Formats: sequence, structure tokens, C-alpha cells
Amino acid sequence: GAVVSQHPSRVICKSGTSVKIECRSLDFQATTMFWYRQFPKKSLMLMATSNEGSKATYEQGVEKDKFLINHASLTLSTLTVTSAHPEDSSFYICSAMSGDTQYFGPGTRLTVL
Amino acid sequence: GESVGLHLPTLSVQEGDNSIINCAYSNSASDYFIWYKQESGKGPQFIIDIRSNMDKRQGQRVTVLLNKTVKHLSLQIAATQPGDSAVYFCAEKGPADSWGKFQFGAGTQVVVTP
Repeated sequence: GAVVSQHPSRVICKSGTSVKIECRSLDFQATTMFWYRQFPKKSLMLMATSNEGSKATYEQGVEKDKFLINHASLTLSTLTVTSAHPEDSSFYICSAMSGDTQYFGPGTRLTVL
Repeated sequence: GESVGLHLPTLSVQEGDNSIINCAYSNSASDYFIWYKQESGKGPQFIIDIRSNMDKRQGQRVTVLLNKTVKHLSLQIAATQPGDSAVYFCAEKGPADSWGKFQFGAGTQVVVTP
């Protein structure tokens, strides 16, 4: 149980384009999901908390207009990186709450050329 | 606790030996702790959790120890195998943390040698 999926697993895009990443809880409903960014050999950096039916809460320093989050259902949250630039290249990971516990998706590797 | 952004410490373990991974957490009010394993290119995977009303919990080949006095958490892996090579993160959550936000440690890279 408590399986979280992400799609796509890898994406390469041109600078200036937008990229959407989906996070799904497959066998449970998640009122709360989280989006993280991870740099090589580093820990997880929380970007935002996504709550179903309400606006996301962003961490300090994370641009909400650049990283659009939508949590339209209890099993789906999306992160859209708008007008992507090479510095947005990173590993993006989502997680979903089941009870007290966070379960993570497999991650999405974004490369912006 | 460990600050995000520090260079990953590395633990080198010989196959078959026991591994002990340590974590100093930051918030004395934290009441729930999780250990995650992250293999290269993958998302973190839940290993084991423990609540603050316990000081020890065992799983399959893993044991988590919690010392609230010194705010220390450890993960013990018995008979370490090559498949245990990964980065291990501890995570803490306090009762006041809204929406289930966890604080993550910097992680420890475990390298299993033959």
C-alpha cells in the first residue's frame, strides 16, 4: 500500500517552455501532498505544500508564479515549472500523506536546455 | 540536527557487517520520526518509523533507536547487503507541524563493500 507515482520520470525541454509534472497517490487518498527539489548529493528541499481544494503554501524563496501547483483531487497534484531555465534543472520529488507518514514518488529528472 | 546542504557523510561497510547510521535531530518537541532510504535516481523509500513514546522499534533487518534526552536517532541494519547501498535520511515531525511537514537530515551515504 501507499504507492505514489510521478509522471514523467524524465523530461528534457527548451529554455522558456513550461513543464508539468504529475504526482498521484495510487492506492490511497491524500489531502496533503508535498513537492521537493533535490540537488545532487544533497538533502530534500521542500518547495511547497499542496492541499486538495485550496491554494498551495510555498516555502520562503520559492516563486509561486514560477512553480504552479494544483491539487484538484484527492489523488492528484501537479507541479508546473513555467518559463523554465537551465537553473531549474533538477530532480523534483513529490510525496503524499497517508496518516502521519509521507510516502514519496519516484522523482522526475528535469533538464532544461 | 544536520543542516540541509552539507556534504553527505559516507559510511563504508563490509558486506555482512552491521551498519549504524546516526542522526541528530533538532526539535525537542518532535514526536514522530522516519528513516528513508534513497537509491540513486529514485525517490526516498520508507524504511521504518518510531514515535516519541518508544525508544526502540524493530523491523526486518532494521532497528531504530530513539534517545530523546540527547535528541539522537539511529538506524541499525543487520547483515548489510549490497542492496543496502544508498543514501539514508532521517526525518522528524513535531505535533505543531502543520499539514504533516517533516524536517529532513542531510543524509548519510552508505557504501557496502564486498
